[in-house]
Amino acid sequence: GQSLEQPSEVTAVEGAIVQINCTYQTSGFYGLSWYQQHDGGAPTFLSYNALDGLEETGRFSSFLSRSDSYGYLLLQELQMKDSASYFCAVYGGATNKLIFGTGTLLAVQP
Amino acid sequence: DAGVIQSPRHEVTEMGQEVTLRCKPISGHNSLFWYRQTMMRGLELLIYFNNNVPIDDSGMPEDRFSAKMPNASFSTLKIQPSEPRDSAVYFCASRTGGGTEAFFGQGTRLTVV
Repeated sequence: GQSLEQPSEVTAVEGAIVQINCTYQTSGFYGLSWYQQHDGGAPTFLSYNALDGLEETGRFSSFLSRSDSYGYLLLQELQMKDSASYFCAVYGGATNKLIFGTGTLLAVQP
Repeated sequence: DAGVIQSPRHEVTEMGQEVTLRCKPISGHNSLFWYRQTMMRGLELLIYFNNNVPIDDSGMPEDRFSAKMPNASFSTLKIQPSEPRDSAVYFCASRTGGGTEAFFGQGTRLTVV
């Protein structure tokens, strides 16, 4: 089977940096994605890592270590609008299906 | 493109009734996913289609749930009979064959009373 573990909640202040970790177990791993979901909204894509290393997109960066089955999302210069749930997701299994983690609720405080 | 379109946005039904949720994927996308989201269970993958063919339905909870994709531009998720524990937000998502980004619809909030 497949499973992904994330912290349930993280709190940080505006302007700070926060890291959201994700560990996964899956067969047939293809890549690790991150999605953002605001309350009442749909998940939206943030990043994808297929290879080890850091991918940077503006204020957001995502890291993957395939050997450790571990990744993280790094959010810099936090803004109030970054308050949302963040999900890691893997393409994996025999059918390359997209499975989501439990989600991390990020609260950004002034 | 208008994105992934789901209907209805909200559905309230009585226990025992049949419910049909609809999804129109983005044109040109050949993979389609149905997810269910609840506080307790998070985002669960129910079924995954590729080129209109169900590839993985291991997440479909029980025989009361069925999904079809008769053509590349339309999919349905049916619950018959519905039960209160089916209350959730149901999302449809699509992506291109070689793509890494899944595009989600706005979801259908289902309440079974």
